[in-house]
Amino acid sequence: AQSVTQLGSHVSVSEGALVLLRCNYSSSVPPYLFWYVQYPNQGLQLLLKYTSAATLVKGINGFEAEFKKSETSFHLTKPSAHMSDAAEYFCAVRNTGTASKLTFGTGTRLQVTL
Amino acid sequence: DAGVTQSPTHLIKTRGQQVTLRCSPKSGHDTVSWYQQALGQGPQFIFQYYEEEERQRGNFPDRFSGHQFPNYSSELNVNALLLGDSALYLCASSFYGAGGLETQYFGPGTRLLVL
Repeated sequence: AQSVTQLGSHVSVSEGALVLLRCNYSSSVPPYLFWYVQYPNQGLQLLLKYTSAATLVKGINGFEAEFKKSETSFHLTKPSAHMSDAAEYFCAVRNTGTASKLTFGTGTRLQVTL
Repeated sequence: DAGVTQSPTHLIKTRGQQVTLRCSPKSGHDTVSWYQQALGQGPQFIFQYYEEEERQRGNFPDRFSGHQFPNYSSELNVNALLLGDSALYLCASSFYGAGGLETQYFGPGTRLLVL
């Protein structure tokens, strides 16, 4: 079964600092990987997705993620944090078969301080 | 272009009651998936509907059932509510014909509280 592990349930950074949110996947077949963001009392918004076209994926709001097969990782980064980035971030994996359910990690809450 | 919409936004029920949640997919989408997100957790897959049939199901009891209508909208029904069913219920829509590259877009969710 496919799964993702997000290391660190809470991450705190200063405004302007690098954001790094970690995600490691477990999959027996090439995975599709996603990062979603959830703002308080809202649904999930897609940040970016990896579908094997390119290992470095750029998303919205200045975020990007790099797929590293050797490390089974798909970490999310942003060079300079903004106060508006404070939210819950979820990494998700789905298989490449006909079924398309997403399996989510437990989430990382990003706090941005002045 | 309207995104995924869900109704109601909030709901309060008591144990043993039944509830129906509704979802309208994003324009052009034909597949609807439902997820349950308990407080402090990631979303858990309940089931997915395509062509008015349940295509895949997660590890949820039969108390959870669904339906998809010809216009692709969907309902999630939960019978015999338990306190543990309190959660945010998320609907996601996608286009099956994307050749396996479909992306799920989520609605704002329905927050269910069972007392």
